[in-house]
Amino acid sequence: SSELTQDPAVSVALGQTVRITCQGDSLRSYYASWYQQKPGQAPVLVIYGKNNRPSGIPDRFSGSSSGNTASLTITGAQAEDEADYYCNSRDSSGNHHVVFGGGTKLTVL
Amino acid sequence: QLQLQESGPGLVKPSETLSLTCTVSGGSISSSSYYWGWIRQPPGKGLEWIGSIYYSGSTYYNPSLKSRVTISVDTSKNQFSLKLSSVTAADTAVYYCARGGLGITMIVVVPRQYNWFDPWGQGTLVTVSS
Repeated sequence: SSELTQDPAVSVALGQTVRITCQGDSLRSYYASWYQQKPGQAPVLVIYGKNNRPSGIPDRFSGSSSGNTASLTITGAQAEDEADYYCNSRDSSGNHHVVFGGGTKLTVL
Repeated sequence: QLQLQESGPGLVKPSETLSLTCTVSGGSISSSSYYWGWIRQPPGKGLEWIGSIYYSGSTYYNPSLKSRVTISVDTSKNQFSLKLSSVTAADTAVYYCARGGLGITMIVVVPRQYNWFDPWGQGTLVTVSS
C-alpha cells in the first residue's frame, strides 16, 4: 500500500506563484497527476505525467517531480484558482492500485 | 466529447447493497486505451479510490473495501457499475465515476509510468441511513 501526503492548506497573493506539494514513496516510481476541485463540482484534471496539461488548462499550471515529492506550481495565481487540489498516483506495489493525497485547500488572497 | 453520468438510489439502508451505474456517452467503453474507475468523497473530506476495471475485464479494488466491492462492465449498454455491500453510515459519500488513462515516459532508459482520471462524472450523493 502507499500514502500520499499533502499540506492541508496553502495561501497565495493574487498574481504570485504558489507550489503545492505531494509526498509519498510511490512518487519515486510513478508520476503524479493533479486535480482541481471547486465547491460542489467534480474534480478536474490539471496536470498528468511528467508535466502534461489537458486541453483547456491554462499554462500557468505546471508539474514537477523530485525524489518522493511531486509539485504543482501555479505561476501568477488567479482568483479562480482558489480550490482544493488533489494529487494521485499508482500504488508503489505495482498492482494497478491507485492512491489520492488528502488534498490542499488553496486560498488566493 | 466524452461524458460520464452516474445513476442510482440516493438513499440506502444500513447493511444493504449500494448499486450505481455510470453511463458513458460520446465514446466507447470498449476502448483498450483506457480503463474505468469509481472514486468517492465523504462530505467535507478527500477523495478515495474505490476500484477500477480494465478493457481485459481485470478489476482492482482498494484493499480497505475489497471484500465488499464489485465493479463490472456492460459493453452492450456502454455502462459500468459499482456494487458495495454491507454499507454503513461511513459509506455516505458523493460517488464519482471516471475514465482512467495510463502513460509511460522514458527518463533516459528508465521507464516511469503515470495514471490519470479524466473526465469525471458530476457525482451522485449516496446517503446510508435507515
